[in-house]
Amino acid sequence: GDSVTQMEGPVTLSEEAFLTINCTYTATGYPSLFWYVQYPGEGLQLLLKATKADDKGSNKGFEATYRKETTSFHLEKGSVQVSDSAVYFCALPVASGNTPLVFGKGTRLSVIA
Amino acid sequence: GAGVSQSPSNKVTEKGKDVELRCDPISGHTALYWYRQSLGQGLEFLIYFQGNSAPDKSGLPSDRFSAERTGGSVSTLTIQRTQQEDSAVYLCASSPTGGQPQHFGDGTRLSIL
Repeated sequence: GDSVTQMEGPVTLSEEAFLTINCTYTATGYPSLFWYVQYPGEGLQLLLKATKADDKGSNKGFEATYRKETTSFHLEKGSVQVSDSAVYFCALPVASGNTPLVFGKGTRLSVIA
Repeated sequence: GAGVSQSPSNKVTEKGKDVELRCDPISGHTALYWYRQSLGQGLEFLIYFQGNSAPDKSGLPSDRFSAERTGGSVSTLTIQRTQQEDSAVYLCASSPTGGQPQHFGDGTRLSIL
């Protein structure tokens, strides 16, 4: 079945450092891909998405490009802030339309000043 | 507010008791999902409702778990005869007709003593 493999954390970075969180997927067809973020004590928030190959999703300085050739959707940010400290999840739907999401195990990011 | 609302935010109960968790989705969203987030298992799909169709219960871990959705809106997840392994954060999400993305509530943190 469809699955997501995400780099394990935790990741600790200094403020203004460059961030990459790797995500690769296995799926039938070309599903939409998502990054969700979970801040302490909160639910998941959609961070960005891409709906087809070569699309780049972006939000709050984060970017991820849908790479069909490498089945990847790596999350990047050029300069992280303390407020970016959270858990990040890569996800894809199990089928098209209204279907559940399959999530990676999550990557905890801590940014220190 | 306009987001997904879950109650209670925290629930502590004794092993063997029944619990009910409530989810109020975003108005107009036809799909509603329940997920469980636990330390060892990450984010797991439990059940989802799409409009008036029969729910997909394929993720429910045992027959102690059940859910209903009344009037196509509010949903209740019920866990009977709770066990310590049921301790987790239960997340609800909803999405509009046509598919993704899913919008999550802040979750209910369930602790079984």
